[in-house]
Amino acid sequence: GDSVTQMEGPVTLSEEAFLTINCTYTATGYPSLFWYVQYPGEGLQLLLKATKADDKGSNKGFEATYRKETTSFHLEKGSVQVSDSAVYFCAQAGGTSYGKLTFGQGTILTVHP
Amino acid sequence: GAVVSQHPSRVICKSGTSVKIECRSLDFQATTMFWYRQFPKKSLMLMATSNEGSKATYEQGVEKDKFLINHASLTLSTLTVTSAHPEDSSFYICSARPTGTYAYNEQFFGPGTRLTVL
Repeated sequence: GDSVTQMEGPVTLSEEAFLTINCTYTATGYPSLFWYVQYPGEGLQLLLKATKADDKGSNKGFEATYRKETTSFHLEKGSVQVSDSAVYFCAQAGGTSYGKLTFGQGTILTVHP
Repeated sequence: GAVVSQHPSRVICKSGTSVKIECRSLDFQATTMFWYRQFPKKSLMLMATSNEGSKATYEQGVEKDKFLINHASLTLSTLTVTSAHPEDSSFYICSARPTGTYAYNEQFFGPGTRLTVL
């Protein structure tokens, strides 16, 4: 079945460091891919998405590219801020789970000043 | 816009009692709402899809008599955990999809409810 695997956290960085959170997926067909972010005490928010191979999603300085050949959708940011501290979830939809989101286990990011 | 609330945010109950969790879309109508469960260090698992005015669709392995879902209006869905036991302790998250949208990512999430069963 469909699944999403994220790098385990927690990830701790200093401000202005480079961030990568790895995400790979398994799916039958061609899913849409997403990154969600959850700030403390809030619901998950869509951060960015990509709907087909080689698409790049971007938002708030974060980027992720849909790589069909490696079934990956790694999240990157060139210079993190303290305010980026949150839990990040990779997710897919489509493929064999039409209409449903399948999430990775989440990665806790903490950014220190 | 697109705010979803959940109530309560935390609840502690005794084993054998029932607990109701509310999910509300505050500034939009939602024909479809979803209920997820999240275990520590695990991903969100979809439990059921709730459609206003009809029976919920449960995922495989989720006991429908244990987790009762009611979606009686376009802004409210409730999840009742019946005869709760310690293994039901978890973080329950709902999401709502605005009426008229069908895209996978058009779900707005609530902040979650932490259930602890003693």
